[in-house]
Amino acid sequence: AQSVTQPDIHITVSEGASLELRCNYSYGATPYLFWYVQSPGQGLQLLLKYFSGDTLVQGIKGFEAEFKRSQSSFNLRKPSVHWSDAAEYFCAVGARAAGNKLTFGGGTRVLVKP
Amino acid sequence: EPEVTQTPSHQVTQMGQEVILRCVPISNHLYFYWYRQILGQKVEFLVSFYNNEISEKSEIFDDQFSVERPDGSNFTLKIRSTKLEDSAMYFCASLAMVTGELFFGEGSRLTVL
Repeated sequence: AQSVTQPDIHITVSEGASLELRCNYSYGATPYLFWYVQSPGQGLQLLLKYFSGDTLVQGIKGFEAEFKRSQSSFNLRKPSVHWSDAAEYFCAVGARAAGNKLTFGGGTRVLVKP
Repeated sequence: EPEVTQTPSHQVTQMGQEVILRCVPISNHLYFYWYRQILGQKVEFLVSFYNNEISEKSEIFDDQFSVERPDGSNFTLKIRSTKLEDSAMYFCASLAMVTGELFFGEGSRLTVL
């Protein structure tokens, strides 16, 4: 069965500082990996995805993530955070073998200090 | 850009009432999904649907829930007799087979009183 762990429930970061959100997954085969962002009361917006190939993937809003198979991780990074990045971030894992069903992590809420 | 649309955006209902949440998936997509997010919690898979039948469902998706594709465009989630704990945001998604990417709608917030 697929599972996703986001170890950090909350992260507070100063505007302009770098941000890294951790994600660890468990899946027997090669997974599809995703990061979504959710602003309060809003839907899920896809930031980036990894299916295969280059393990460093670029997404929207200046985000990037790196797939590390040896660590079963897919951490999300942004070099310089903007106040508008305050939101909840969800990592998700899926696979064609699982009918492309996504399993989400518990989310990390990011607060941005001025 | 094509998108998944959901209606209503917010519905308030009394416990025990039936609710139907509607979704219009992206037109050439064939796999559809419903997910649920209880306030403050993670997004949970409910059901997947392909070729006019359920392909997988979670433990949450009990006999109170049903899904249907009544015509060529709509995909509905029905809750037969709502309970307080059904209060949540419900997300519909459809799958782009070529890329394996799920496209989510904006969600329908259900409040059961």
